[in-house]
Amino acid sequence: GQNIDQPTEMTATEGAIVQINCTYQTSGFNGLFWYQQHAGEAPTFLSYNVLDGLEEKGRFSSFLSRSKGYSYLLLKELQMKDSASYLCAVREGDYKLSFGAGTTVTVRA
Amino acid sequence: IAGITQAPTSQILAAGRRMTLRCTQDMRHNAMYWYRQDLGLGLRLIHYSNTAGTTGKGEVPDGYSVSRANTDDFPLTLASAVPSQTSVYFCASSDGPGEADTQYFGPGTRLTVL
Repeated sequence: GQNIDQPTEMTATEGAIVQINCTYQTSGFNGLFWYQQHAGEAPTFLSYNVLDGLEEKGRFSSFLSRSKGYSYLLLKELQMKDSASYLCAVREGDYKLSFGAGTTVTVRA
Repeated sequence: IAGITQAPTSQILAAGRRMTLRCTQDMRHNAMYWYRQDLGLGLRLIHYSNTAGTTGKGEVPDGYSVSRANTDDFPLTLASAVPSQTSVYFCASSDGPGEADTQYFGPGTRLTVL
């Protein structure tokens, strides 16, 4: 089973940087995903890490440390449209994902 | 446009009634999933299917059943709805298995059981 923890809420200013942390405990780690979910909409894929290190994709970067059971999602040059929930999900085995409760990020002007 | 569709968009249901939530994908993905999302609890897996003809239980399967008669469709049935099944239900699919096997989500069904 999984135990996935991430902060409930974060607030940041437009143009700033925000880091969302995710810690997990798992018996069979096989990848970590980050999803973005705007209010009333479906989650959409942001990033994937399976090896230790940083994956960069435009304004978004995701980091993984398997030995520490830790990941973070870094959002740079924040825009108002980045206000959303960010979901950390851990895959155990080939298919199933276990999700954290999500972090709601509010971007203020 | 390729993707996943769900129906209905929303539904209000009396307790004890039977309800089937529909999910169809046109990406020819092998794997499909049903999640429920509740405030403060995140997405929880109800049932999944690795390929047509097979299904498996997720984290919260009680009170729900699924079938996978073909690749495209994965209906979720509530045999006798209870108020605790009030939630937003998301269907997802993925090509799976594989390293970067990404799940793609449908728009969701908002279900209220009274």
